[in-house]
Amino acid sequence: EAQVTQNPRYLITVTGKKLTVTCSQNMNHEYMSWYRQDPGLGLRQIYYSMNVEVTDKGDVPEGYKVSRKEKRNFPLILESPSPNQTSLYFCASSLKTGRYTEAFFGQGTRLTVV
Amino acid sequence: AQKITQTQPGMFVQEKEAVTLDCTYDTSDQSYGLFWYKQPSSGEMIFLIYQGSYDEQNATEGRYSLNFQKARKSANLVISASQLGDSAMYFCALSTDSWGKLQFGAGTQVVVTP
Repeated sequence: EAQVTQNPRYLITVTGKKLTVTCSQNMNHEYMSWYRQDPGLGLRQIYYSMNVEVTDKGDVPEGYKVSRKEKRNFPLILESPSPNQTSLYFCASSLKTGRYTEAFFGQGTRLTVV
Repeated sequence: AQKITQTQPGMFVQEKEAVTLDCTYDTSDQSYGLFWYKQPSSGEMIFLIYQGSYDEQNATEGRYSLNFQKARKSANLVISASQLGDSAMYFCALSTDSWGKLQFGAGTQVVVTP
């Protein structure tokens, strides 16, 4: 089954404790991205990657890191999480069809930083 | 900079009635795409419908249709014959690149009542 898998689904952590949220897709998509969702703001892009070893900042990259060592994996790293990074996070991969590029989203990771 | 505006934070609709969710956008690009996503309480993002800026006809997908008024830069979602399962958050999103980056509105929470 074609899917984007994120882990963990839920995470509670303390300020300053490094964490990684994993994302894997089995559709051989080149483009992957991370979004965060906050009430009243919708989803905002954090980082994206156009291919292996090619990553770039999205709209809200501060406090996050990513890597793309393999095509299928795109982990999100919070080196020193802070309470303002409490949010719902989505990983997405994209495929360009004949008419448009469709984004496939993971199930989401709800992160709480205390 | 692109911007998506959803002016209705929330709305109630009775079962079997139609509901229109408003979305206006701002972009200077001539080629772009508009997407609508549904997010039920379980959190996943479900793609509903797409409208391309050069599409001559309004998009339809089952009970979902898009009222696209290009000159007014609006792309309202119409859900016909609402069902209880339509209760969810609905997001409008704009894409102006071929890679799939999405700019989201703040969302509209829809509650369908019996």
